[in-house]
Amino acid sequence: NAGVMQNPRHLVRRRGQEARLRCSPMKGHSHVYWYRQLPEEGLKFMVYLQKENIIDESGMPKERFSAEFPKEGPSILRIQQVVRGDSAAYFCASSPWGQGTDTQYFGPGTRLTVL
Amino acid sequence: AQSVTQLGSHVSVSEGALVLLRCNYSSSVPPYLFWYVQYPNQGLQLLLKYTSAATLVKGINGFEAEFKKSETSFHLTKPSAHMSDAAEYFCAVSPIQGAQKLVFGQGTRLTINP
Repeated sequence: NAGVMQNPRHLVRRRGQEARLRCSPMKGHSHVYWYRQLPEEGLKFMVYLQKENIIDESGMPKERFSAEFPKEGPSILRIQQVVRGDSAAYFCASSPWGQGTDTQYFGPGTRLTVL
Repeated sequence: AQSVTQLGSHVSVSEGALVLLRCNYSSSVPPYLFWYVQYPNQGLQLLLKYTSAATLVKGINGFEAEFKKSETSFHLTKPSAHMSDAAEYFCAVSPIQGAQKLVFGQGTRLTINP
């Protein structure tokens, strides 16, 4: 039973380029969460999605960041016109029912470096 | 609003000694509480969680945590540290009702001395 998969594991972009991070949830999970971890800090919530719906995007920066979870395929976190401050580890998690008792299962993360 | 405070960004213990990692939370509604472990360059793995059943929760790898409402604490303990326990540990909270997002503490890096 494969866990949460994220790719790429490492991504290098120059300032102004676009970054696309992909997340495939565990089989049977329809709830996806994205978190960002800056160096030497804890994880910060960004967005919570169900299939074809954004449920909570209160942690997303207002500009340049977007997320989707289409009916078919992985969830995508998109960062346009990246800046150095976007360098971080981005983690995706999935859960089966979207309830508070759920365990969120985390992927290995994508480490984004902006040059 | 919810928040989590982990006292001590770095904790160092000797192999075989007691491990105690502190976590205090703030929540206006009854919370669910979680401890996750992160090994270098990996994702987070759940150690244990409190979901309003027994206040003493046992997890994997010999860890346990006790929910103390009066102290708003959820400290993580292990009686005898092993070298393989060296990692970053995160405490997190989520509300029983409403948004399912986890609010994490800043993490505690545990070092085990031989």
